[in-house]
Amino acid sequence: AQKVTQAQTEISVVEKEDVTLDCVYETRDTTYYLFWYKQPPSGELVFLIRRNSFDEQNEISGRYSWNFQKSTSSFNFTITASQVVDSAVYFCALSTGANNLFFGTGTRLTVIP
Amino acid sequence: DSGVTQTPKHLITATGQRVTLRCSPRSGDLSVYWYQQSLDQGLQFLIQYYNGEERAKGNILERFSAQQFPDLHSELNLSSLELGDSALYFCASSVGTLDLKSYNEQFFGPGTRLTVL
Repeated sequence: AQKVTQAQTEISVVEKEDVTLDCVYETRDTTYYLFWYKQPPSGELVFLIRRNSFDEQNEISGRYSWNFQKSTSSFNFTITASQVVDSAVYFCALSTGANNLFFGTGTRLTVIP
Repeated sequence: DSGVTQTPKHLITATGQRVTLRCSPRSGDLSVYWYQQSLDQGLQFLIQYYNGEERAKGNILERFSAQQFPDLHSELNLSSLELGDSALYFCASSVGTLDLKSYNEQFFGPGTRLTVL
């Protein structure tokens, strides 16, 4: 069975602080994909990143970076120099066969100006 | 704009009623997925169709059904509605493939917010 755990329910930071959102996953499949999605207050789901299980390279995109570690089954997401526009609910998700996404419970990030 | 459209945006109905949610995938996408986001259950996968055929089922209630039509649009039918069915229902689409082990990006629609009173 697949499972995604986002232990942090809510996080508040002051603008310009760095923040890391944790994601731990469980799967018995050797081939899988991990994702992060952002859900702003408007409600839509915005894709941020996809990683496959064979690629453990960390990735940086602007102020966003992702740390994938198979040894600890974690796929953490860091926002550097947070901004008010980063306030949203962030979901980590896992996909194995059939492409279906298993989502974590989400972390609500509030960036205080 | 993901290219996936969902109608209606909002739906308010009463318990015991039946509603139909509609999804039009991105042009060229063969796979359609339905997800439910509720306060109790979080964001969960309901069902997937590929080129008109059901491919995978998640936590979909028996009161719910879906289909994908020859023009590839999909409908999610919810019947005998209960208060707990109030949720945001997302549709997503992907190119799709016969290979279950390969992954195709899923693009999400804006969602239909269902309120059952």
